[in-house]
Amino acid sequence: DTEVTQTPKHLVMGMTNKKSLKCEQHMGHRAMYWYKQKAKKPPELMFVYSYEKLSINESVPSRFSPECPNSSLLNLHLHALQPEDSALYLCASSTESSGSYEQYFGPGTRLTVT
Amino acid sequence: GEDVEQSLFLSVREGDSSVINCTYTDSSSTYLYWYKQEPGAGLQLLTYIFSNMDMKQDQRLTVLLNKKDKHLSLRIADTQTGDSAIYFCAEKDAGKSTFGDGTTLTVKP
Repeated sequence: DTEVTQTPKHLVMGMTNKKSLKCEQHMGHRAMYWYKQKAKKPPELMFVYSYEKLSINESVPSRFSPECPNSSLLNLHLHALQPEDSALYLCASSTESSGSYEQYFGPGTRLTVT
Repeated sequence: GEDVEQSLFLSVREGDSSVINCTYTDSSSTYLYWYKQEPGAGLQLLTYIFSNMDMKQDQRLTVLLNKKDKHLSLRIADTQTGDSAIYFCAEKDAGKSTFGDGTTLTVKP
């Protein structure tokens, strides 16, 4: 199983809502990532978890709150988002965060903030 | 900081070879990657090359690395319509990947 799954596929939320994005992998990977991708742009790294601990936070606003409940799951909690936060949110995983280990990407959650 | 640059568009005819180019600035990059993204999908890793290699071939894909010029290229032989997608070059250092802006490859029948 080389699949990273993400739910939901699409999400529309208002600026006062609280919602969560979910990511799951069962490849035994110990590194998991959140990326944000705007249309026609490359993915931008947001967070890296290594062995269930947050190892990299790319100065992401606090309205985005990551959580890694166990080695297979990664959540991104959203609160008080702005319309400019609308984007495709991609989750990825790799065996470890260092070295050549390739990242496997999920299909993404397309988020629209109204 | 690190910078990765690609040309934005490439159009080829089916059956021709495609060459997508990338330049990077971080001389400490240890791994360089090519990803493919189809519309509405996540990124698919196509291939990667370690910085001490000059060339890597994998079926229809050939990666060339000129470390002196910090230039990376991806050649797709016998390009098919299913190869139409955005191709991202990326470099990785200290656990972080930096992506280029992506090259949109259009394959015409």
